[in-house]
Amino acid sequence: RKEVEQDPGPFNVPEGATVAFNCTYSNSASQSFFWYRQDCRKEPKLLMSVYSSGNEDGRFTAQLNRASQYISLLIRDSKLSDSATYLCVVNGGGKTSYDKVIFGPGTSLSVIP
Amino acid sequence: EAGVAQSPRYKIIEKRQSVAFWCNPISGHATLYWYQQILGQGPKLLIQFQNNGVVDDSQLPKDRFSAERLKGVDSTLKIQPAKLEDSAVYLCASSPGQGWTNEKLFFGSGTQLSVL
Repeated sequence: RKEVEQDPGPFNVPEGATVAFNCTYSNSASQSFFWYRQDCRKEPKLLMSVYSSGNEDGRFTAQLNRASQYISLLIRDSKLSDSATYLCVVNGGGKTSYDKVIFGPGTSLSVIP
Repeated sequence: EAGVAQSPRYKIIEKRQSVAFWCNPISGHATLYWYQQILGQGPKLLIQFQNNGVVDDSQLPKDRFSAERLKGVDSTLKIQPAKLEDSAVYLCASSPGQGWTNEKLFFGSGTQLSVL
């Protein structure tokens, strides 16, 4: 089993739609979770961290379920500018605090006019 | 604040040739990462440094790949000899490395390698 798995995608949605991405991780001792965004031919950039209590940033909501080892990202009222690849990232779970940061394969989103 | 600098931006070589990539992290960042991203896939960690020590290199193909971080600042990643399957974008990232697991990674623009 891969350490971090995501919905295979691609997701093609109309403007204004709500879209949800799912991610699962295999190491139950993992400590930190993130969503990164990667535009075509660009480097990944942090979108938001994911907390156990859930967190929201404008149109974006992230949720973490430690018991199920599951992370989600919800985008409401999709904009054309949201078109990108969304990467689920998991950190920690090893013996030291400097644990490797593992990226999922990414889910591609295209928002259509 | 200056970001993570990488060079070259693009590199085209023939198989069996050697190539080297350079990375200058954000000033003061203790942790430096090299990732390989093949088209259509997520970044795969090759090696992680904490200052000038290696934290993880379990996925580095050590028969052909090597990396060093002299004086805990700049880093170079070398491939010798290159294979066709090494064609990818090589991303360097850095983080403050204060010992927290929730640190944000800052990425450079990457080096796109094509092996012919």
